Formats: sequence, C-alpha cells, structure tokens
Amino acid sequence: GENVEQHPSTLSVQEGDSAVIKCTYSDSASNYFPWYKQELGKGPQLIIDIRSNVGEKKDQRIAVTLNKTAKHFSLHITETQPEDSAVYFCAASRRYSTLTFGKGTMLLVSP
Amino acid sequence: EPEVTQTPSHQVTQMGQEVILRCVPISNHLYFYWYRQILGQKVEFLVSFYNNEISEKSEIFDDQFSVERPDGSNFTLKIRSTKLEDSAMYFCASSEPLTGTNSGANVLTFGAGSRLTVL
Repeated sequence: GENVEQHPSTLSVQEGDSAVIKCTYSDSASNYFPWYKQELGKGPQLIIDIRSNVGEKKDQRIAVTLNKTAKHFSLHITETQPEDSAVYFCAASRRYSTLTFGKGTMLLVSP
Repeated sequence: EPEVTQTPSHQVTQMGQEVILRCVPISNHLYFYWYRQILGQKVEFLVSFYNNEISEKSEIFDDQFSVERPDGSNFTLKIRSTKLEDSAMYFCASSEPLTGTNSGANVLTFGAGSRLTVL
C-alpha cells in the first residue's frame, strides 16, 4: 500500500517568514495530493490540493508543488502569520481510493 | 458552508463496553469514511462506505468494528468491546462524486471528531 513520509515534524518560524513542508510517497499510481490543516480540537480542513496532471498550484499565500518523477510534493506558505500555527498533514491517494496521511508537521509562527 | 457533524464530542468508557459514534455527513455526499488519530500520531484510515456497503477497510478495522447507515442522514461507527488501545480521536468524513478531470479524487470534508477514552 501507499506510504507517505512527511518532514519536518515541527517547524518554528517568525511571522513574515516562509515555511516549507515536504512529503514523499511510495505508490507511483497515486494521483491526488491534498494538504490538510488541523487546528487544536478540530478536524482536518482541506487547504489546497494538487492532481498529478499539474506541477504547481497556488492559492494566495499557499502553494503546492509536485514532482512525480521523484515522488515528492511540498507545501509552501509565504508571509506566515500567527494564525497559520497548526498541524499540517499531507496525503496521497490513487484514483477512487482512500487517502493515506503523513505524520503531520506542527507549524509554530511566532509574532 | 455545509459541514460534517459528529457526536459525542467526547466519550469515556470502560474497557469491554460497546461504543457507538455518530456522524451526519454532508447531505449530498455519497461516500463516507471513518478515520482515527491516536494522540500525537497521524490520521489513519479505518473504513469507507458507499451505496450501503463497505467499499474498503484497513487492517485496523477488525471484527470489533462495524459501520452502519441506519437512515438517510446518520453514519455510525460501533466498537463492540472496547480496548485500551482504541482510545483515540475518531473522525468521520464524507465526499461527493467528482466528474470530469476531477473524477476519482477524494476531496474529503472532515468532522470535528469524537474523542474516545477507554479506561
């Protein structure tokens, strides 16, 4: 089955800095790669996703890149704000299959 | 914005007791899921449900677990005889069928979770 590795496990940045979280996956048939943000006491919320037919997608301050050859994808957050502090999970899935999540990255943005 | 609702938010139970966790998925969604998250660990897939039957399940989802959609709105997870290691946050999620270039993509909406504590 699919295995998703996520790094780093924790990331501390100053407000205004950029943050990058990286994930690798094992199943070359995976074609959908979402990122979820989980705030304390809440369920994961989808913040951005990318499909295998594109290499990059951007939505305001967040962007995701995908390298299918290397089987890795990354989340980029620019101009970080304290409210970006949360746990971020990457995930991967094949067409019509279930999501496999990474272990999560706790992002701490200090004012 | 439509949301997935889960009850209870927290349940404490004795080992060996039966527990039922309830979920109300988004009304036009057709695919339903249960995931769990042990404290500090990643979100793990348990089971997916479509057209009134299990479509996929993980090795975690053994005979102690069952799911049911008893009516048109609720989706339940039952643990027959809880163990200490069942203590976790259980998340329900739902998704709608996507068509066109997005077909097959599992865009899940998660509920806030039910925290289960087994003593």
